[in-house]
Amino acid sequence: GAGVSQSPSNKVTEKGKDVELRCDPISGHTALYWYRQSLGQGLEFLIYFQGNSAPDKSGLPSDRFSAERTGGSVSTLTIQRTQQEDSAVYLCASSLGPSFGEKLFFGSGTQLSVL
Amino acid sequence: AQKVTQAQTEISVVEKEDVTLDCVYETRDTTYYLFWYKQPPSGELVFLIRRNSFDEQNEISGRYSWNFQKSTSSFNFTITASQVVDSAVYFCALSEAAGANSKLTFGKGITLSVRP
Repeated sequence: GAGVSQSPSNKVTEKGKDVELRCDPISGHTALYWYRQSLGQGLEFLIYFQGNSAPDKSGLPSDRFSAERTGGSVSTLTIQRTQQEDSAVYLCASSLGPSFGEKLFFGSGTQLSVL
Repeated sequence: AQKVTQAQTEISVVEKEDVTLDCVYETRDTTYYLFWYKQPPSGELVFLIRRNSFDEQNEISGRYSWNFQKSTSSFNFTITASQVVDSAVYFCALSEAAGANSKLTFGKGITLSVRP
């Protein structure tokens, strides 16, 4: 596609429910990132995928968070048993390759609200 | 560990004023990249500039200019003759060569409001 696409754009859920957030990167981009943007906290790295390599999960805040990337393209971020502190904007980004210094292209994000 | 500090949280200016957004970084790596991104109300971060650690030349692009000083670990961004459309959140970010990927470490962002 022309840009990074994320869905849904907004998600409201009840505490304790599971949610899935989807990211469709730019066609041809091999690297995919998930970031979380909380109010006043900047952007927090969550997870990184590159081709068929094992993902870098070093930023995932707890074992309730997981992500997968199927066929080297679309990625899904899953949050199980959501908590109110999970409320944030979840941003996906992709880049052409894993090379150091690559420019990241971001989607518009999913605004998650946990009630 | 790498760190990016944007000490200013909110700036408000009147249209046509010049404004400088500060960014200070910390890294033990000698090879790194610095970035600025703009996040308008639509939410999508837009790339503005990338500078590698070996290139200290300042850059000017239209009304935008960047001042990179390794001696003070700063990468400041100036908007000349600001316009209402410049209102956004601006993020400074760092990518280290020592990292296994292009993971960016972001500052907390500066909210710029330009009033007509």
